[in-house]
Amino acid sequence: DSGVTQTPKHLITATGQRVTLRCSPRSGDLSVYWYQQSLDQGLQFLIQYYNGEERAKGNILERFSAQQFPDLHSELNLSSLELGDSALYFCASSVATSAGGPGSYNEQFFGPGTRLTVL
Amino acid sequence: DAKTTQPPSMDCAEGRAANLPCNHSTISGNEYVYWYRQIHSQGPQYIIHGLKNNETNEMASLIITEDRKSSTLILPHATLRDTAVYYCIVRVLMYSGGGADGLTFGKGTHLIIQP
Repeated sequence: DSGVTQTPKHLITATGQRVTLRCSPRSGDLSVYWYQQSLDQGLQFLIQYYNGEERAKGNILERFSAQQFPDLHSELNLSSLELGDSALYFCASSVATSAGGPGSYNEQFFGPGTRLTVL
Repeated sequence: DAKTTQPPSMDCAEGRAANLPCNHSTISGNEYVYWYRQIHSQGPQYIIHGLKNNETNEMASLIITEDRKSSTLILPHATLRDTAVYYCIVRVLMYSGGGADGLTFGKGTHLIIQP
């Protein structure tokens, strides 16, 4: 158990719909990352939030958006869903890195994922 | 981040050491080598990381060649539960207080432990 929780575990919806995936990071972690894993694209980084602010973007579609709330949980919103959006969506969290020297690192702890099926 | 090359699959007998290679010939001086694994559809799990010295923890050992162009992850006594996809990732650390950017996963090595 990584300490990262994700809900729901499974989600089945139809094309054109909108869904929200939720993630609670480990206690004390300020950074939250979202990843998508599909059969053809593998594991892809979508977006990162740090202490409520967007920090880095990866291959996130414009139809997708995310936010991190004051209690540090995060939500990934997927809209105008297409069949190709069917995938596993993982959330990860990491401790905030202070201005440390060599040897500091950001191990990311992954949640169990949400399996999204778009019919 | 530097590109990595890993064999798509490997077999290992239970109880033996599993040695997983990774080539990263374009690695820069400030890039670290990380290993994660993913057990069937579960979230990836951090294993170990290193810069240039060999590293060992309770899960594995990491051997990095002197020129840092390749590395080997060693699982000393593989068990059936070690069957997973293992990802070698090379990346720069970010010290700016906001944590690092997202990880770039390749296709990894599917390690199958045989009973």
